[in-house]
Amino acid sequence: QSVLTQPPSASGTPGQRVTISCSGSSSNIGSNTVNWYQQLPGTAPKLLIYSNNQRPSGVPDRFSGSKSGTSASLAISGLQSEDEADYYCAAWDDSLNGHVVFGGGTKLTVL
Amino acid sequence: QVQLVQSGAEVKKPGASVKVSCKASGYTFTSYDINWVRQATGQGLEWMGWMNPNSGNTGYAQKFQGRVTMTRNTSISTAYMELSSLRSEDTAVYYCARGRGYGPLVYYFDYWGQGTLVTVSS
Repeated sequence: QSVLTQPPSASGTPGQRVTISCSGSSSNIGSNTVNWYQQLPGTAPKLLIYSNNQRPSGVPDRFSGSKSGTSASLAISGLQSEDEADYYCAAWDDSLNGHVVFGGGTKLTVL
Repeated sequence: QVQLVQSGAEVKKPGASVKVSCKASGYTFTSYDINWVRQATGQGLEWMGWMNPNSGNTGYAQKFQGRVTMTRNTSISTAYMELSSLRSEDTAVYYCARGRGYGPLVYYFDYWGQGTLVTVSS
């Protein structure tokens, strides 16, 4: 059972806009910023969004993040086949001397 | 360019220990934390802990306290993660990741190693 809650799956057709939610609590998302990681099949995770809504260099602006209270979301617009991957949200949790918590991951399928 | 290159796959028997290395290049090794994250087959990501390569300070997830040790050799820009008393449930891909940010408010992993498969089997 992951500390952050994500839907296990999401899907969309090419060109569509898809959102993935991430729900936490006051000790993690409510207190600290949220990051999103993309994991393509058979590869290491890659940083997609950091500090709620910042994109690292090289990440297309089709990807955007937001946060409100103890929830966050990742939006992907203009969906492309290469976006098919697992997406994880993460945040620092202030409990238990501090630690990083992840969501359980959302498998995105491009139909 | 920043790279984190990990050691190769390991097969261990239950009760044994494993030590995985993570060699950093392309940046000043002592300037950023190294974190370890593992992923069992078909499962999600699980954070194990962090290490400050400059001070050697560490912080471990409660689940791994007493079983995990994170160390470094600054002369060769390499971090290590040793997990002891291995059991079958420890079979997973272990990743090192560079931690960046300022305090818990903003903390993220901007570069990841390629992963090391550790298999625990009798």
